Amino acid sequence: NAGVTQTPKFQVLKTGQSMTLQCAQDMNHEYMSWYRQDPGMGLRLIHYSVGAGITDQGEVPNGYNVSRSTTEDFPLRLLSAAPSQTSVYFCASSARGRSGNTIYFGEGSWLTVV
Amino acid sequence: AQSVTQPDIHITVSEGASLELRCNYSYGATPYLFWYVQSPGQGLQLLLKYFSGDTLVQGIKGFEAEFKRSQSSFNLRKPSVHWSDAAEYFCAVASGGYQKVTFGTGTKLQVIP
Repeated sequence: NAGVTQTPKFQVLKTGQSMTLQCAQDMNHEYMSWYRQDPGMGLRLIHYSVGAGITDQGEVPNGYNVSRSTTEDFPLRLLSAAPSQTSVYFCASSARGRSGNTIYFGEGSWLTVV
Repeated sequence: AQSVTQPDIHITVSEGASLELRCNYSYGATPYLFWYVQSPGQGLQLLLKYFSGDTLVQGIKGFEAEFKRSQSSFNLRKPSVHWSDAAEYFCAVASGGYQKVTFGTGTKLQVIP
């Protein structure tokens, strides 16, 4: 069981370049989300999805785009990379249900924009 | 809007000493609460979670947390810290549908011999 898989793990971009962070989960979870982690700021929600075809903005959505064409995949696109987007990115997924379902995180993607 | 406050940015304890990490939350309804741990260069590992029932929650690695509604707190405790517990700890609160999880800013734990 692979859980939540993120690729790439490390990436260096030049300012203005675009790229896509991939996220896939094999647990048939309805909910998926992207966070960025910066020193002293914890994890902040970028975008989230409650199911295929449904996405919404989180706390810090500017400069990022998402889509959810399948239940398994939730890619995060950086449209025109800026140094302020240097961060560690985490994808997460969880199942819908009445009980306190566990939220599963990927291993993270370290992105540097120069 | 929901929020989480971890007032201690950095804590140092001696190996074998007890530990308490503080977490205060703000949420209108009954919250879903979590503690995660992150080692350097790694992802997040769930230590424990609370969503209903017994307010004292047991987790992995000997950790426990107590939900106190009157104080809006969910503090993490461990009776005897091991050197391998050195990491960053995050408290989080989630809405009922799990669409959004709000994290605290984290507490870095240093363990000295």
